[in-house]
Amino acid sequence: RKEVEQDPGPFNVPEGATVAFNCTYSNSASQSFFWYRQDCRKEPKLLMSVYSSGNEDGRFTAQLNRASQYISLLIRDSKLSDSATYLCVVIATGTYKYIFGTGTRLKVLA
Amino acid sequence: NAGVTQTPKFRVLKTGQSMTLLCAQDMNHEYMYWYRQDPGMGLRLIHYSVGEGTTAKGEVPDGYNVSRLKKQNFLLGLESAAPSQTSVYFCASSYGLTLNQETQYFGPGTRLLVL
Repeated sequence: RKEVEQDPGPFNVPEGATVAFNCTYSNSASQSFFWYRQDCRKEPKLLMSVYSSGNEDGRFTAQLNRASQYISLLIRDSKLSDSATYLCVVIATGTYKYIFGTGTRLKVLA
Repeated sequence: NAGVTQTPKFRVLKTGQSMTLLCAQDMNHEYMYWYRQDPGMGLRLIHYSVGEGTTAKGEVPDGYNVSRLKKQNFLLGLESAAPSQTSVYFCASSYGLTLNQETQYFGPGTRLLVL
């Protein structure tokens, strides 16, 4: 089983739609979680951290479910500019080890 | 603040040639990392450094060497390039490993093609 798993997609959604991605992780000792965004042929950029209580940043909401070992990302009112690959990252606090998922590709259609 | 920069942006090598990729950061970060990204695979850690003068192996270190002579720079070397090293290489840095310090910031990447 991969340490971090994501549905590769693509998720094709119309502008204005709400879309959600999940990411499952296998190491129950994982302490820190992030969502990164990666545009085609560009570097990954931090989208948001995922806290135990969940967090929201504008149209984006991230949640953590420790019992089922997954994190989620919800995007409301999708924009064309949201088209990108979304990478899930899991680490055990105190270690160097960032474990990346292979990413979920989102295409927002006009 | 330039953040994390990488040179070169793109390079073509012949099998057996050597080259060095340079990563520089101006955020006074202690930790620096080299990753490679291949289609269908997540980013994989090659080598990392927890401070000036230190280096350590990551998940896929074979065929690569690194040096961290200055805090702000982290060099990745390929002594004898192989086609399997064709990839996109990303450098990243972070302030530390404790909560809220562990966020990694990435450079723009170097695309390497080995023929």
